[in-house]
Amino acid sequence: NAGVTQTPKFRVLKTGQSMTLLCAQDMNHEYMYWYRQDPGMGLRLIHYSVGEGTTAKGEVPDGYNVSRLKKQNFLLGLESAAPSQTSVYFCASSLTDMNTEAFFGQGTRLTVV
Amino acid sequence: DQQVKQNSPSLSVQEGRISILNCDYTNSMFDYFLWYKKYPAEGPTFLISISSIKDKNEDGRFTVFLNKSAKHLSLHIVPSQPGDSAVYFCAAGNLGNKLVFGAGTILRVKS
Repeated sequence: NAGVTQTPKFRVLKTGQSMTLLCAQDMNHEYMYWYRQDPGMGLRLIHYSVGEGTTAKGEVPDGYNVSRLKKQNFLLGLESAAPSQTSVYFCASSLTDMNTEAFFGQGTRLTVV
Repeated sequence: DQQVKQNSPSLSVQEGRISILNCDYTNSMFDYFLWYKKYPAEGPTFLISISSIKDKNEDGRFTVFLNKSAKHLSLHIVPSQPGDSAVYFCAAGNLGNKLVFGAGTILRVKS
């Protein structure tokens, strides 16, 4: 029972570099989300998807792009990384809408230097 | 503007006693409230939820209370166990809208 799997777990980037974080879920969930967690800020929604082929902006979308080409995968891209994007990133999925139980991945710790 | 606030950054409780974690919200349109628990180096896990039509929901040692007039909810853990030591996030939302999380409260249960 893998649940939600995030790749990679850790990454260090230089300012201006790009990267993609991969999220995969095996629960056939419709909704998928990307959050970032910063000290004292809780979890903030970056982008989300309500089904294959759909994406929508969350609370803090600037500097990020996402794609959901397959139902089980949700990719988060950083085109030009900035130090302000140093954070822990969590992917999550839920069967229906955001107000139901969501299952989270173990997180990706990203440092931008 | 924080719509969901957890004003206590940390809480320390003796094993076997009650832990009470508090959460305040400002948006009266919220009608779903959830609690998540997070251990270090892991993702959050769902704990318990409550909708605005109820004022209490119980699940084993965990009970969530909702006071809509005060825009306040609390999570009670009885009895507290060392394994409950974690960060607890409160979250609120309404149908079709994004969930908003609080900053979290670190609970330490001492044995």
